[in-house]
Amino acid sequence: DIQMTQSPSTLSASVGDRVTITCRASQNINTWLAWYQQKPGKAPKLLIYKASSLESGVPSRFSGSGSGTEFTLTISGLQPDDFATYYCQQYSGYLFGQGTKVQVK
Amino acid sequence: EVQLVESGGGLVQPGGSLRLSCAVSGFTFSNYWMSWVRQAPGRGLEWVVNIKSDGSEKYCVDSVKGRFTISRDNAKNSLYLQMNSLRAEDTAVYYCARDIPLYGSSGGYYDSWGQGTLVTVSS
Repeated sequence: DIQMTQSPSTLSASVGDRVTITCRASQNINTWLAWYQQKPGKAPKLLIYKASSLESGVPSRFSGSGSGTEFTLTISGLQPDDFATYYCQQYSGYLFGQGTKVQVK
Repeated sequence: EVQLVESGGGLVQPGGSLRLSCAVSGFTFSNYWMSWVRQAPGRGLEWVVNIKSDGSEKYCVDSVKGRFTISRDNAKNSLYLQMNSLRAEDTAVYYCARDIPLYGSSGGYYDSWGQGTLVTVSS
């Protein structure tokens, strides 16, 4: 089975910072990866699909990159609304990473 | 506007049963794979089970095999999850989600989610 490893588990940042979250797959998953944002008590929200495609309506400060086994989600210019937990998810078996909580520094 | 609204959660004793429903609107339900995804308190997301647009294919995680059954009624724009032999470890918020599959088969990502319904298994 493919394993997904997200890092870091927690990230402390300030408004305006550039934030990068990494997701690693235990084997090649091409570009079959999505990223979600989840706020407390709310459902996840799709941000990125196919590793780098921005979902409609998602601010352009969010971007995704990578292929094969290593992927990144970047937030360029962190906004107050971006403090949340982020999950990667590989398509096969709908397997999620453990999550990265972005908190106020 | 795409909407998914779950219902049916609650408190149930170990070994008991519960049926969750998800009412959808704003899209052609019969064209989409659908999934149930759960999140235990303070934990991450876990795919549980999914079903093809016409109900002809279903897949689930090993931990719920033989206990959970997914179904759908395309005429009623509704998705269901019958949960039997519930265990404490099934305690979670259960989300229904619209599945965007890769190559039209199981495996993909979720572009729309419901608000979730909490299932608590406890004596």
